[in-house]
Amino acid sequence: DTEVTQTPKHLVMGMTNKKSLKCEQHMGHRAMYWYKQKAKKPPELMFVYSYEKLSINESVPSRFSPECPNSSLLNLHLHALQPEDSALYLCASSPGGYSGANVLTFGAGSRLTVL
Amino acid sequence: AQKITQTQPGMFVQEKEAVTLDCTYDTSDPSYGLFWYKQPSSGEMIFLIYQGSYDQQNATEGRYSLNFQKARKSANLVISASQLGDSAMYFCAMKGRYTNAGKSTFGDGTTLTVKP
Repeated sequence: DTEVTQTPKHLVMGMTNKKSLKCEQHMGHRAMYWYKQKAKKPPELMFVYSYEKLSINESVPSRFSPECPNSSLLNLHLHALQPEDSALYLCASSPGGYSGANVLTFGAGSRLTVL
Repeated sequence: AQKITQTQPGMFVQEKEAVTLDCTYDTSDPSYGLFWYKQPSSGEMIFLIYQGSYDQQNATEGRYSLNFQKARKSANLVISASQLGDSAMYFCAMKGRYTNAGKSTFGDGTTLTVKP
């Protein structure tokens, strides 16, 4: 069983819809991440929360809105998406801090299709 | 800046044979970590192995070993006794301690196909 749980696994939405992706971890990790991944490409970092504060925003369009309600939960709110936003969205967590040894633990991903 | 280069878009290996996936890196950070992740077609990224820049020994985890050559800035993954379940995309990644705000840098990946 994966230690980072993402829901839903699949999501189909129209361009006018509002939906959310959810991520949960119970490993006591203090850093949580959202990545976007297109087919056959490496994951692209979107956001990083460190100790529940947004520490990195990779110039992501405002139609993506992250939220970290507590140290175990991470949400990604979606609104007015475009078809090119269709991708696999991966959540990850790590112990935190800037050590080079921090392994990323990924969830199984949420596969998003925007019609 | 950090950069990871994986020069093999696709690799084939016969079941039970060993295979080496290449990874070279570039960084100015004196302290960094190197990672390999496996991504099956299901989508989940699975951590395989880690090598620290100051580690004297090459890392090993079961059938996975990391051939770390610091002077050549290479961190190749060796999979011994390949299994059909090893068919997946493999990403090399690095994370510096002092540079790049602690973000991981990924290579473009290598798709490995294990033939029966």
